[in-house]
Amino acid sequence: AQSVAQPEDQVNVAEGNPLTVKCTYSVSGNPYLFWYVQYPNRGLQFLLKYITGDNLVKGSYGFEAEFNKSQTSFHLKKPSALVSDSALYFCAVRDMNSGYSTLTFGKGTMLLVSP
Amino acid sequence: DVKVTQSSRYLVKRTGEKVFLECVQDMDHENMFWYRQDPGLGLRLIYFSYDVKMKEKGDIPEGYSVSREKKERFSLILESASTNQTSMYLCASSWGPGQGAYEQYFGPGTRLTVT
Repeated sequence: AQSVAQPEDQVNVAEGNPLTVKCTYSVSGNPYLFWYVQYPNRGLQFLLKYITGDNLVKGSYGFEAEFNKSQTSFHLKKPSALVSDSALYFCAVRDMNSGYSTLTFGKGTMLLVSP
Repeated sequence: DVKVTQSSRYLVKRTGEKVFLECVQDMDHENMFWYRQDPGLGLRLIYFSYDVKMKEKGDIPEGYSVSREKKERFSLILESASTNQTSMYLCASSWGPGQGAYEQYFGPGTRLTVT
């Protein structure tokens, strides 16, 4: 079975400061990992994914994520937050060895960036 | 750009009604998915389909059924709507098959209220 934990329901950060949204995962094999963002009353938008190789993955809108196999984590980061980054963020995982392309999502973390 | 459309943004139905939610994707994706999103619970997979006329149960299939008669269209059916099915419903699609790290593309969602 695969699972994802996002330990923070909400993260608050001031504009211009670095931000981190945490994610840990559990799979029986090796993971594919994803981050999505959801703006109010919208569907989810893909930000970035980790497949293999470099542990630091760069994605859309200046976001990046660091894969840490020993800590089974995939934290989302941005060096300088913008007010427009305020949204709901979801981490998702897929076991590489699973037969179907289904993802397991975390419960989401609300990011609030204050001016 | 991949486009996933859902037939309604908002829907209000009465208890016991049969409800159809339609989803269409324009990228010839093999896989299609239906999720429900509830506060504090994240996204939960209801059903998915990896090919025309093929379907698989997700984590919470009870009270739902699906239909995929054409590759681009995936319908979610609530045979007899109940108040506990009030939720946001999200459709998604992705390339398949097999073990690739395919991101999912989401529609804008349908907010269903059952009274």
